[in-house]
Amino acid sequence: GENVEQHPSTLSVQEGDSAVIKCTYSDSASNYFPWYKQELGKRPQLIIDIRSNVGEKKDQRIAVTLNKTAKHFSLHITETQPEDSAVYFCAASRAQFYFGTGTSLTVIP
Amino acid sequence: EAGVTQFPSHSVIEKGQTVTLRCDPISGHDNLYWYRRVMGKEIKFLLHFVKESKQDESGMPNNRFLAERTGGTYSTLKVQPAELEDSGVYFCASSLVSGPGNTIYFGEGSWLTVV
Repeated sequence: GENVEQHPSTLSVQEGDSAVIKCTYSDSASNYFPWYKQELGKRPQLIIDIRSNVGEKKDQRIAVTLNKTAKHFSLHITETQPEDSAVYFCAASRAQFYFGTGTSLTVIP
Repeated sequence: EAGVTQFPSHSVIEKGQTVTLRCDPISGHDNLYWYRRVMGKEIKFLLHFVKESKQDESGMPNNRFLAERTGGTYSTLKVQPAELEDSGVYFCASSLVSGPGNTIYFGEGSWLTVV
């Protein structure tokens, strides 16, 4: 089955700095890679996704990159704000979704 | 539009007792998923319903877990008898379609603590 590893498990950055979260996956057949954000006490929500035929995707301050050869993908958040503080989960999917262990991001004002 | 709703939000039970978690998917979503997150670990897939049928139950840990989706609407996940290691957050999610690239929508989770 698929194995998704996510690093770091915790990340603290100063407001305005960038944050990068990295994930690797094992199943080369995985072709869809969403990122979910879970704020404290709330449900995980999709913030950005990328498909295997694309190398990079941007949405305002958030970007995701995918390296299919190396089987890794990353989430980049620029100009971080306190409201970006949350737990972020990466996932890899071919049929079912396989999630990483989550990264707790704290943005310090 | 109502999102995925789960009940109860929190449950504390003793080892050996039974707990039933309920999930109401987004209206019209044929696909319903159950996931579990143990503290600090990944959100782990348990099973997938398409309407009332179990499409994939490969993630169910053992036969103490029973999931049903009568009539293809809401779903229940029963744990009987509960063990300490069953503690965690149980997420339900739903999607309109299944397969690569579909978006799944999560509920807020049911926190289960077995003492």
